[in-house]
Amino acid sequence: EVQLLESGGGLVQPGGSLRLSCAASGFTFSNCAMSWVRQAPGKGLEWVSSINRNGGNTDYPDSVKGRFIISRDNSKNTLYLEMNSLRAEDTATYYCAKEVVAWVGCMDVWGQGTTVTVSS
Amino acid sequence: DIQLTQSPSFLSASVGDRVTITCRASQGISSYLAWYQQKAGKAPKFLIYAASTLQSGVPSRFSGSGSGTEFTLTISSLQPEDFATYYCQQLNSYPITFGQGTRLEIK
Repeated sequence: EVQLLESGGGLVQPGGSLRLSCAASGFTFSNCAMSWVRQAPGKGLEWVSSINRNGGNTDYPDSVKGRFIISRDNSKNTLYLEMNSLRAEDTATYYCAKEVVAWVGCMDVWGQGTTVTVSS
Repeated sequence: DIQLTQSPSFLSASVGDRVTITCRASQGISSYLAWYQQKAGKAPKFLIYAASTLQSGVPSRFSGSGSGTEFTLTISSLQPEDFATYYCQQLNSYPITFGQGTRLEIK
């Protein structure tokens, strides 16, 4: 069974840092681009970052560029999101998602999400 | 950035109804559009890609159409499990963007 399991969420003060992890199983992780998508409470979906199969290419929206870093360890089948200089508006449930091999950006498998709360 | 505007934002319908959700892009995106379904407290579920291609396992009552700037998601006969929020997503260019969502509720 294809599975993604996020961890690392929690309560952090403004300006703080947090690292999210996403453990993948049931598919060939190194063959797939991966993404992070977040959802603030009661709001819609917001793309946060994507990384290609070998980790050599990453993308971010302006809202997190320079603060968040996406990375992956294909030997551990794990995706990461390092979040720095956190702000209240980063409070959200963060989902990792596997991208469809032939359709970059299409996310066919999602984790259950991990919640990040930025508050003093 | 490419903006996606869904209409309506809220839709009330009955089991058995046919419903259509529209997604308009601020500029042409060819067929680089996907649709997702999200139920309360759950992760999104991938429904359709390339504007009209149904993901494996998705019931055939779901269909998508459109290209360029206007797209539709149609559910031909609503079932109780279809009441959820639906999002469109453009893949034409980064940053990837989503529509604001359409909440489909039982009348």
